[in-house]
Amino acid sequence: NAGVTQTPKFQVLKTGQSMTLQCAQDMNHEYMSWYRQDPGMGLRLIHYSVGAGITDQGEVPNGYNVSRSTTEDFPLRLLSAAPSQTSVYFCASSSPRAGGDTGELFFGEGSRLTVL
Amino acid sequence: SQQGEEDPQALSIQEGENATMNCSYKTSINNLQWYRQNSGRGLVHLILIRSNEREKHSGRLRVTLDTSKKSSSLLITASRAADTASYFCATAARGSNYKLTFGKGTLLTVNP
Repeated sequence: NAGVTQTPKFQVLKTGQSMTLQCAQDMNHEYMSWYRQDPGMGLRLIHYSVGAGITDQGEVPNGYNVSRSTTEDFPLRLLSAAPSQTSVYFCASSSPRAGGDTGELFFGEGSRLTVL
Repeated sequence: SQQGEEDPQALSIQEGENATMNCSYKTSINNLQWYRQNSGRGLVHLILIRSNEREKHSGRLRVTLDTSKKSSSLLITASRAADTASYFCATAARGSNYKLTFGKGTLLTVNP
């Protein structure tokens, strides 16, 4: 059981380039989300999705785009990379609880992105 | 803005001692969760406590929740070197149930 798989694990970009971070889960989870983790800042929510075709913004959505065409996949697109987007990105998924909250999140191992 | 904040930022103890970390949050919540992160790895869920619960146990972990003070504590008993990690609390404000926000974490070092 692979859980949550993120690719690539490491990426170096130049300012202005675009790229997509991939996230796939094999647990049939309805909820998926993307966080970025920066030193001293903890984890900040970028975007999330409660099911295929449904996405919403988190705390720091600017500069990122998401879509959810299948239950399994939730890619994160950087439209025009900036040095401020240098960070470690985590994808997480869960099966939402009755009453409407995320419940326990399962995290991927992270994607470390450097923008020069 | 961060909903939860952990305290202390860092904690260093000897193997066998107990470790206590605290989390304070700002608004009413449905539940509070604790996660562990080993260096360079993803976060791992430890325990979830609902707003109508006051205390919960899981192995060597004990979590308390005081909704009147908007605070929670995580106690790790008889700590081991393998418990060395960062620990985060996570909450979602009522009405924003799917926006789970994390604090900045407590870095726990357990010395052998």
